[in-house]
Amino acid sequence: QSVLTQPPSVSAAPGQKVTISCSGSSSNIANNDVSWFQQFPGTAPKLLIYDNTKRPSGIPDRFSGSKSGTSATLGISGLQTGDEADYYCATWDSSLRAGVFGGGTKLTVL
Amino acid sequence: QITLKESGPALVKPTQTLTLTCTFSGFSLSDIGVSVGWIRQPPGKALEWLALLYWDDDKRYSPFLKSRLTITKDTSENQVVLTLTSVDPVDTATYYCAHRLGLVRGVDFDYWGQGTLVTVSS
Repeated sequence: QSVLTQPPSVSAAPGQKVTISCSGSSSNIANNDVSWFQQFPGTAPKLLIYDNTKRPSGIPDRFSGSKSGTSATLGISGLQTGDEADYYCATWDSSLRAGVFGGGTKLTVL
Repeated sequence: QITLKESGPALVKPTQTLTLTCTFSGFSLSDIGVSVGWIRQPPGKALEWLALLYWDDDKRYSPFLKSRLTITKDTSENQVVLTLTSVDPVDTATYYCAHRLGLVRGVDFDYWGQGTLVTVSS
């Protein structure tokens, strides 16, 4: 049972937009910055979004992040088959004094 | 160019202590704001944050594993070591180390090692 809650899976057609939610609490998302990671099978996670909305160099602007209250959202527009991967949200939890990850969401591009 | 690489045993017996080493280059753990963390992922399951070591030697541990985890650094060797005591088959996972730069608590690891699979079995 993860501290942050994500839907197990989402799907959409190529070219469409999909959103992945991440639900937390006042001790984590509400008061700390959220990051998002993309992970392909057998590879290490890759930082997609940090500080809720910022993209590291090299990440296309098709990927976007937002946060409101105790929830955060990753948006992926112009879906490509190459976007099929697992996506994880993460943040700091001030009560646990530790980092926490969501349970991950598998994206399928139909 | 920042790189990290994990090393350690591929197979550990139950009740033993697991020791993993993260050898890095391209940054110094003495630089303000730098931290190195450990994250693991059981086969087919989600990522799990384990521990974090800061440039000032401050340390944070997962409360769910705190009594079993220790994170240390060897600055001269550019290494961070994670030990996990009393391992159990549920500790079977790919263990990653990762780099972070920031003064505020966070989980925005920007560079990751390739991971090392550790199996706990008798």
